[in-house]
Parts: sequence; C-alpha cells; structure tokens
Amino acid sequence: SQTIHQWPATLVQPVGSPLSLECTVEGTSNPNLYWYRQAAGRGLQLLFYSVGIGQISSEVPQNLSASRPQDRQFILSSKKLLLSDSGFYLCAWSVGNQPQHFGDGTRLSIL
Amino acid sequence: EDQVTQSPEALRLQEGESSSLNCSYTVSGLRGLFWYRQDPGKGPEFLFTLYSAGEEKEKERLKATLTKKESFLHITAPKPEDSATYLCAVRGIHLQGAQKLVFGQGTRLTINP
Repeated sequence: SQTIHQWPATLVQPVGSPLSLECTVEGTSNPNLYWYRQAAGRGLQLLFYSVGIGQISSEVPQNLSASRPQDRQFILSSKKLLLSDSGFYLCAWSVGNQPQHFGDGTRLSIL
Repeated sequence: EDQVTQSPEALRLQEGESSSLNCSYTVSGLRGLFWYRQDPGKGPEFLFTLYSAGEEKEKERLKATLTKKESFLHITAPKPEDSATYLCAVRGIHLQGAQKLVFGQGTRLTINP
C-alpha cells in the first residue's frame, strides 16, 4: 500500500533562517506531488505541484521554492524565512484521477 | 475563479443528533467534489469523491450528496469519534496532468457524549 511521510512534524525557526521540509512517498511510481499551506481556521492553499522529476510549478508567488530531486521525493525550501511563512505545511500525492492523499504535515513557527 | 464555501464554520451536536454540513461551490467544469476529514494536528483523510449531480456516497454514519451548486455531508446518529474538521474541495481544470483542488475553510464538528 502507499504511504507518505513528512518531516519534521514541528519546527521552530528564527526569522531570516533557511528552511527545508521533506516529503517522501512509498508504494507508487511517478506520482503527482503537491505542497499546501493551511493557515489557522482556513482552507488549504496550493503552493507547488510537480508531475515529474525536476518539474515544478508554482501557484502562488512567495518566499518559498520547491524541488523534486527523485521520483518520490518533494522538498519545500526557503533561503530566508519571514514571519508570514508560519503555518501548517502539507504534502500530498495523487496518481491519475485518484484522490489526493495527504501526509500528517509540518507545523512551522517563525519567531 | 473556482470557489468553495462551507457552512457552518462550527457545529456542536449531542451524540445521536443527526445533522448536515453544507458545501457550496462555483467551478468551471466540475471534475470531482471531494470530502476530507481532518483531525487536529493531522493531514486530511479522504472520505468521498462525487462527480455528477444526484450522486450519493455512504460510509458508516456519513452520506455525501451532490447537486449542481452544492454538496451536503449528512451525519446520522453521530458518535464522539466523528468529531473533526470536515473539508470540501472541488477539482476544476487540470494542471498539466496534475489536479487543482480548491478547498473550503472547513466545518469544525464537535459531538458531545
């Protein structure tokens, strides 16, 4: 069966520090991968998606970037974090027309 | 622009008290309406996909229905373990083979014993 892993589960970072969040999927090949951010009491906002290795599309201009160095690995990065980057970050995967399935997220707090 | 609005924002029920959650949407060419359940500090868990008006899906105490403008998630005789935030999302255009989901803000459901 397919599983998705995200780490770390929680992260506290100072303003201006770099960021790297990782997501890996097991049990499937060539999945579509997604990064979302969820603000408190808000719906999920799509940040990036990828349909293959090295292929990244951005939905919202921001201080973040994404990379897909391997088929089942998706990384969310920033060179300098802003206070507004705080939130709950979720990775998801899908294949074909099947529903998206989510990891358990990373709670990011910027101090 | 695709939009999803869920109501109410929060709902408190007594155990066994049935009710419905609403999801109103506007989308250019619906390619699926999705319901997810999200527990605190966790990622959303997939519940249902609906594709066309009149379609219904059931799972235990939950039943999802779809019209051309809205979807309902009916909860029959709920139990405390049904407490969670329920998210609705619509899929419109495809993003170069990927899926673009637009989410509502969710309904936070609390079932008191």
